[in-house]
Amino acid sequence: DAMVIQNPRYQVTQFGKPVTLSCSQTLNHNVMYWYQQKSSQAPKLLFHYYDKDFNNEADTPDNFQSRRPNTSFCFLDIRSPGLGDAAMYLCATKREYLNEQFFGPGTRLTVL
Amino acid sequence: KNEVEQSPQNLTAQEGEFITINCSYSVGISALHWLQQHPGGGIVSLFMLSSGKKKHGRLIATINIQEKHSSLHITASHPRDSAVYICAGTLINTDKLIFGTGTRLQVFP
Repeated sequence: DAMVIQNPRYQVTQFGKPVTLSCSQTLNHNVMYWYQQKSSQAPKLLFHYYDKDFNNEADTPDNFQSRRPNTSFCFLDIRSPGLGDAAMYLCATKREYLNEQFFGPGTRLTVL
Repeated sequence: KNEVEQSPQNLTAQEGEFITINCSYSVGISALHWLQQHPGGGIVSLFMLSSGKKKHGRLIATINIQEKHSSLHITASHPRDSAVYICAGTLINTDKLIFGTGTRLQVFP
């Protein structure tokens, strides 16, 4: 089945230790998104790609970086995680010019 | 000020009850989405609509473009419907979603 896959589903890291979250898709969608969702809050867009064109939200901290080496894969790098970065990280994809976004199951990040 | 407002924020129901969640928006959108998120889980898209009404099983979504209002209805609710339901709009001329604050639904047996 075509889908959006996120690995790992649960990630524990230490304060300040770099961590990478991954997202892959078999939908061949050219738009990919990374969202951060803290407890009981709506998802917050961090950045998105049109193909390899990277679009950063103005309020996304520099601590968050992303890579998209090809259509199928996208990575979220947190260079120095703080306690405030503990959250669910959601990847989503869509086809440009169509509205529906397809979400992955999310990666829950814990920072110790 | 959130430009997508949902009500109620929390909702409890007995199994079998008819449930309505409301969403109002104050921005131009090209599509309105209803999303479901189970506790600790990812997001599942239930509906995307830009006019009229859609039905899938026990779920019905309606939208009134003139009034900038949408509703999600659940008929014959079941405990497995317990989740957070999120209304979101695709901002017109963008590919970005603006999210409501969610409605936490608990259905008791």
